[in-house]
Amino acid sequence: NAGVTQTPKFQVLKTGQSMTLQCAQDMNHEYMSWYRQDPGMGLRLIHYSVGAGITDQGEVPNGYNVSRSTTEDFPLRLLSAAPSQTSVYFCASSWRLAGVHEQFFGPGTRLTVL
Amino acid sequence: AQSVSQHNHHVILSEAASLELGCNYSYGGTVNLFWYVQYPGQHLQLLLKYFSGDPLVKGIKGFEAEFIKSKFSFNLRKPSVQWSDTAEYFCAVGSGNTGKLIFGQGTTLQVKP
Repeated sequence: NAGVTQTPKFQVLKTGQSMTLQCAQDMNHEYMSWYRQDPGMGLRLIHYSVGAGITDQGEVPNGYNVSRSTTEDFPLRLLSAAPSQTSVYFCASSWRLAGVHEQFFGPGTRLTVL
Repeated sequence: AQSVSQHNHHVILSEAASLELGCNYSYGGTVNLFWYVQYPGQHLQLLLKYFSGDPLVKGIKGFEAEFIKSKFSFNLRKPSVQWSDTAEYFCAVGSGNTGKLIFGQGTTLQVKP
């Protein structure tokens, strides 16, 4: 199993550009999430999905869109990049066993917006 | 609102010293509690988790944590740290229904050889 994969690993954008961060998992997990990591702020939830076709907002959803057309993929779209979106982005997936989720994280995408 | 607070932002210890990192949470439902570690340049790895039963949980690499419900705390401990424990540590509280995790701000641990 590859686990959770993310592409690209690094990306530099100019303000106003759009792009999609890719996330895929091969563990047949129902639940997938996107987090951003900023110094001194821990990880903050952007969007999450509890299954194909179902998504919801997290703590910091503004400026980001998601969709979940398949169980495996959960792309994150930046519609019009802003310098405030410079961050490290982590995708995670989990399954529920006995009421507990254990999340598995991808390697991250480091995004710089100029 | 759900929240997680980690009291120590930056901890510096010498090898063989004991470690305790504080974590307090605010959550209205049944809690699932986690500690994750992020080694330099790597992604998050699960150290240990608590969801029910024995409030003292043991994780990988000699780490343990104690859930104290009355204090809303889930502190991480290790009796004797090593240089290889240098990393950032995150406490998180999770929803059993949605898989959402709320993270604390993180604690950077630096272990001096």
